[in-house]
Amino acid sequence: DAKTTQPTSMDCAEGRAANLPCNHSTISGNEYVYWYRQIHSQGPQYIIHGLKNNETNEMASLIITEDRKSSTLILPHATLRDTAVYYCIVRERSGYALNFGKGTSLLVTP
Amino acid sequence: DGGITQSPKYLFRKEGQNVTLSCEQNLNHDAMYWYRQDPGQGLRLIYYSQIVNDFQKGDIAEGYSVSREKKESFPLTVTSAQKNPTAFYLCASSPGGRGAFFGQGTRLTVV
Repeated sequence: DAKTTQPTSMDCAEGRAANLPCNHSTISGNEYVYWYRQIHSQGPQYIIHGLKNNETNEMASLIITEDRKSSTLILPHATLRDTAVYYCIVRERSGYALNFGKGTSLLVTP
Repeated sequence: DGGITQSPKYLFRKEGQNVTLSCEQNLNHDAMYWYRQDPGQGLRLIYYSQIVNDFQKGDIAEGYSVSREKKESFPLTVTSAQKNPTAFYLCASSPGGRGAFFGQGTRLTVV
């Protein structure tokens, strides 16, 4: 599975959009981009995933560049409850497991 | 309710004792996984199973054992051979292709 690179930490003001970047320059054509988040002392929570088109659901939007070498997770109106570690993972759809790195620690401030 | 259940939430054991962590899912998922998380670190894969009666080692399988006798259950045994067993253990299941759903974890402390 391709490796990802994320910033260690980010801050965002409550009510503003949080844009979390992820680099995956070695992604292959059949690998998807998955995003998860982990609130302190809980199990990771699935957010969204995509292959090459932008995706949106009730939690977030995922923007994938045309060359697929990077992506951005967007939380349109961050709340204090969005404070968590966000993991970007690339994996084949039928891959056997998700490889979690250290993710980005997002702090949403009042 | 459908979901994945880990029990207990907190577990204490004496050094040298084996301990088994429970993981049950009623989501009818074929694949199940065990991860370990240490403070400030990401998740590391211990074992995974894609089908009943079959399982594979992950990146850090030494000192651990699993079984998959039923689709719904994937217990993890932390043996006395595991040098640093104190950690947060997470179980997950997956229907394949849509990522994974995680339990709330078991925090194991060995004293």
